[in-house]
Amino acid sequence: DIQMTQSPSSLSASIGDRVTITCRASQTISNCLNWYQQRPGKVPKLLIYAASSLQGGVPSRFSGSGSGTEFTLTISSLQPEDFATYFCQQSCRTWTFGQGTRVEVK
Amino acid sequence: EVQLLESGGGLVQPGGSLRLSCAASGFSFSNYAMSWVRQTPGKGLEWVSAIGDSGYNTYYADSVKGRFTISRDNSKNSLYLQMNGLRVEDTAVYYCVKEQWVTVAGTPTGLFDYWGQGAPVTVSS
Repeated sequence: DIQMTQSPSSLSASIGDRVTITCRASQTISNCLNWYQQRPGKVPKLLIYAASSLQGGVPSRFSGSGSGTEFTLTISSLQPEDFATYFCQQSCRTWTFGQGTRVEVK
Repeated sequence: EVQLLESGGGLVQPGGSLRLSCAASGFSFSNYAMSWVRQTPGKGLEWVSAIGDSGYNTYYADSVKGRFTISRDNSKNSLYLQMNGLRVEDTAVYYCVKEQWVTVAGTPTGLFDYWGQGAPVTVSS
């Protein structure tokens, strides 16, 4: 099975900060990597697919990069609605999620 | 508008059974693979099972293989998850999820583009 490890598990940031979250796969997954945002009490929402493609309707401050085993999600300028938990997901062999990264107010 | 509405969750004793249903609308259900994903505070998100658009191909996480059965009825736009031999560790919110497959740079890639609101399942004596 492919394991996905996110870091950090949580972080504190302020409005306007640049935020970077890392996701590592236990084996190479090419670009089979998606990112989701889950706000408190809500269902997960797709942000990025295929490592770097922005889902329709998602603000351009979100971006993804990486290939192989290491991937990043970047929020260029954190907004109030971005305080949430972010999950990566591999889609090369069935599906596996990372454990999540909680972005909190500093 | 795509809608996925789960039902059938509840409280069950260890060893018991439950059947989750998901009513889909707003898209051509028979053209899409579907999955069940569960979420717990402690273990986060865990993919449970998937089924191809025709229902012929099914896939399971090792943690539920042999106990859970996924199925679908395309004539009723419905997805199901039969859960037998339930364990305390199966306690979670279960989401019905629509799969989407796109081709990026010549490579097919899958994603979950719509999620239901979730059905809570509690396994406890």
